[in-house]
Amino acid sequence: GAGVSQSPSNKVTEKGKDVELRCDPISGHTALYWYRQSLGQGLEFLIYFQGNSAPDKSGLPSDRFSAERTGGSVSTLTIQRTQQEDSAVYLCASSLGGPLSGNTIYFGEGSWLTVV
Amino acid sequence: RKEVEQDPGPFNVPEGATVAFNCTYSNSASQSFFWYRQDCRKEPKLLMSVYSSGNEDGRFTAQLNRASQYISLLIRDSKLSDSATYLCVVTAYGQNFVFGPGTRLSVLP
Repeated sequence: GAGVSQSPSNKVTEKGKDVELRCDPISGHTALYWYRQSLGQGLEFLIYFQGNSAPDKSGLPSDRFSAERTGGSVSTLTIQRTQQEDSAVYLCASSLGGPLSGNTIYFGEGSWLTVV
Repeated sequence: RKEVEQDPGPFNVPEGATVAFNCTYSNSASQSFFWYRQDCRKEPKLLMSVYSSGNEDGRFTAQLNRASQYISLLIRDSKLSDSATYLCVVTAYGQNFVFGPGTRLSVLP
C-alpha cells in the first residue's frame, strides 16, 4: 500500500483480555517502530525492528507487551491481560532505513485501544 | 533531564502572526533532526527536516544550533490551518527517533 496500514483502527476490550494490533509497513521499508500515545501525552517508544537484527525492546513497559515481525514486513503487537492504563493509541511507523540513514519516519493512523 | 524538551505552550496567536518554537536535546552526538506536526487525534506527519545550515519551506524556517544543542521552528504569517501540536524529533547513533513532548499552537481568527 501507499502508506503504513494498521488494524484494527479501534478496539474496545475488557480488562484482562489479550489484544493483537497489526501493522503493515510501507513496502520496502526495513525499519519498523511501535509507539504509544496516551490522551494528551507525548509519544512513548515501545519497540524497534531493523531488518534481521534483534529488535530493540527497551521501551516495552512490562512483560505483558510483546511484538514480532514476520518475514521482515508485517508486525504484530500483543498486549496480554490488558489493564485500563493500557488505553491509548498505538502508532506504528516505518522508515526506509534505520534512524541514522537520513530517512524520515512515516506513521500509520494508529490503533485506538480502550480497556474497560 | 529529558532527552528532548520543548516549549511547553500552548501558544495562542492571531492569524498573520509570526511564532517561534524552541527545542533542546541532551545528546551531543545527535545527528538527525526533524519537525513533525500532529493534528488532534491524528498521527504525526513530517513537516520538515532540519539541516545544519538551516532551511526554509515556504512560511516555515528551521534552524539548528549544534553548539547550544537546540533547534527552532519559525512560522511566518500564521494560518488557521497551522493549529496543531509541533513535535521536535532527534536521532543519534544507537538511538531511535526520540520525540519531544510537543508544543501546541492555536491560531485564532
